[in-house]
Amino acid sequence: LAKTTQPISMDSYEGQEVNITCSHNNIATNDYITWYQQFPSQGPRFIIQGYKTKVTNEVASLFIPADRKSSTLSLPRVSLSDTAVYYCLVGPEAAGNKLTFGGGTRVLVKP
Amino acid sequence: SAVISQKPSRDICQRGTSLTIQCQVDSQVTMMFWYRQQPGQSLTLIATANQGSEATYESGFVIDKFPISRPNLTFSTLTVSNMSPEDSSIYLCSVVLLAGGTETQYFGPGTRLLVL
Repeated sequence: LAKTTQPISMDSYEGQEVNITCSHNNIATNDYITWYQQFPSQGPRFIIQGYKTKVTNEVASLFIPADRKSSTLSLPRVSLSDTAVYYCLVGPEAAGNKLTFGGGTRVLVKP
Repeated sequence: SAVISQKPSRDICQRGTSLTIQCQVDSQVTMMFWYRQQPGQSLTLIATANQGSEATYESGFVIDKFPISRPNLTFSTLTVSNMSPEDSSIYLCSVVLLAGGTETQYFGPGTRLLVL
C-alpha cells in the first residue's frame, strides 16, 4: 500500500476554503485516493474518493494531477463544525480494502 | 452507506478480564474489519473478520488476544482478552460497500475502552 504524507495540522477561519495536500509518490496504477474525516469520539467518516482529475460532491472537492503523485482535498467555506482530523489514504479498490491510516491532518477552524 | 452500530459504546474494565464488542450492520456485507485507535493515534487494522472461517490477523495481533467471530454477513464480535491498561483504546469495526461504482469502507461509531 502506498505511503502518504500530509501536514500534521492546519488552522483556518470560518468561511475560508481549506486545502489539504497529500503526497503519495509511490501510488500504483490501480490505487484510488480516499479521504476520511474523524471527529473526536467518533469513527472516521468517508468524505470523497477519486482516481484522477477532479471529483466533487456535496461536502468537498478532490483534485488529482495527471501524475497522481499528490492530491488536494478542498473544503469550501469551512465552519467550526469542520474541525476534525482528515486522513488521506491510497490503496487498490478491491484488495480486501485493508486501509492503512497515516497520521492525518488536524484542522482547527477558528471563529 | 450503511447503518453500523457497536455495543457497548464505552466500558471501563479491570485488568485481567475480557470484553466482547459487537458490531451490527443493517445490510449484508462481504468485507468486515476491526481496527484499534490508541489515544491520540491513528487507526491500526487488527484483523479481517471472515464469514464462516477464521479471521485474518495483521502483524502484531493474535487470535488468542483478539478472538473474532463472524457468524453471518451482518454481525461480528471482537473480544479483547486478558486486558491490560495498554489495551485502552477505541475499537472500531468497518464494512465495505459499493458506493458510486467503487468500493468504499464505512466505520462504526467505535467502542471506547478504558482498562484500569
